[in-house]
Amino acid sequence: QSALTQPPSASGSPGQSVTISCTGTSSDVGGYNYVSWYQQHPGKAPKLMIYEVNKRPSGVPDRFSGSKSGNTASLVVSGLQAEDEADYYCSSDAGTDNLLFGGGTKVTVL
Amino acid sequence: EMQLVQSRAEVKKPGESLKISCRASGYNFLAYWIGWVRQMPGKGLEWMGIIYPSDSDTRYSPSFQGQVTISADKSINTAYLQWSSLKASDTAMYYCARRDRYSSSLNFDFWGQGTLVTVSS
Repeated sequence: QSALTQPPSASGSPGQSVTISCTGTSSDVGGYNYVSWYQQHPGKAPKLMIYEVNKRPSGVPDRFSGSKSGNTASLVVSGLQAEDEADYYCSSDAGTDNLLFGGGTKVTVL
Repeated sequence: EMQLVQSRAEVKKPGESLKISCRASGYNFLAYWIGWVRQMPGKGLEWMGIIYPSDSDTRYSPSFQGQVTISADKSINTAYLQWSSLKASDTAMYYCARRDRYSSSLNFDFWGQGTLVTVSS
């Protein structure tokens, strides 16, 4: 099983939006509405930002939104802020009790 | 306050055994699956497996099946990840994380601080 495909980097200026893609197959991203997104700052543990494609846990700003089309999911961070600079990982269920992560995308706020 | 407190960093030699821990507090430990995630130096996240502490039901990622053992001691609210014979390629940060019980998906809503395992001769 291969990791999900994410671009290695993305960037935007403060106040702009950045979109991160996460491409899988019909056996994972395309087969389930179970895509999650995690934010990881350097030296810190990951933090859940989006689950089940487009749901936000309590406390996550609504600047973060998720969507999915076919085998590709996307995370949009709008109104970029300096604190959004981090690594972002997607994950998707890939069958019963199986989970795949993406390779990660480093977001830089210019 | 909800916490997942992981054991300290470890430095081991190839071939040695190791068991690292993840102690939960501030929530009902028995009602949530606990998962383990590996992050090799400078690399991405990899899901290793999960355990339901109430009955020790355990599921492994195909990539880690047979390579590690996940266990739990519900009397002390602690989950474990262990190796019987470490390899240099096991050098990584290991995170424990609580599975969101209110979602049908395999997502993790709360994470430990991580345990760094270094395997070197």
